[in-house]
Amino acid sequence: KQEVTQIPAALSVPEGENLVLNCSFTDSAIYNLQWFRQDPGKGLTSLLLIQSSQREQTSGRLNASLDKSSGRSTLYIAASQPGDSATYLCAVVNNAGNMLTFGGGTRLMVKP
Amino acid sequence: EPEVTQTPSHQVTQMGQEVILRCVPISNHLYFYWYRQILGQKVEFLVSFYNNEISEKSEIFDDQFSVERPDGSNFTLKIRSTKLEDSAMYFCASTRTSGGYNEQFFGPGTRLTVL
Repeated sequence: KQEVTQIPAALSVPEGENLVLNCSFTDSAIYNLQWFRQDPGKGLTSLLLIQSSQREQTSGRLNASLDKSSGRSTLYIAASQPGDSATYLCAVVNNAGNMLTFGGGTRLMVKP
Repeated sequence: EPEVTQTPSHQVTQMGQEVILRCVPISNHLYFYWYRQILGQKVEFLVSFYNNEISEKSEIFDDQFSVERPDGSNFTLKIRSTKLEDSAMYFCASTRTSGGYNEQFFGPGTRLTVL
């Protein structure tokens, strides 16, 4: 059974800092990995999708990498801003199906 | 930009009552999903739906749950007899084709509170 873990569970940084969020998964047989942002009490906003054949994806100040064989992904946020404060979730789709298996999230606080 | 919508945003019900949560997926999407998130826990998959039938379901999705696409736009989740432990945020999602190759887009969620 696929298990997705995110470390750290919470992170507090000063504005302007570059940061890395980590995601690991136990079964490397995945179709893709998706990073989401969740604001308190709100829905999930898709940030980036990485196909299993890709190594990284970029969108603005966000860069996600994927090392499928080692079961790891990182989300790099450049020049963090207070508006980046949210919970960041990673989720994978296994080869065996099409549903997402989620990690527990990293709660990010960017202080002005 | 097209988005997934869900109604109501918040539903309060008494234990044992039936509830129906509604979703309007993105119009050209073919795969639909329900997930839930109990407060403080991970988002969990419930069910996926394609071509008017369930394609996958989790252990959570027992006989108390059902899904339906009653018309060309709505996708519903029914809980027949709610329990206290059904209290959670329920998210609908959709994707254009098989989820492996496309992003899943999520709605804003329905917060279900069972008293």
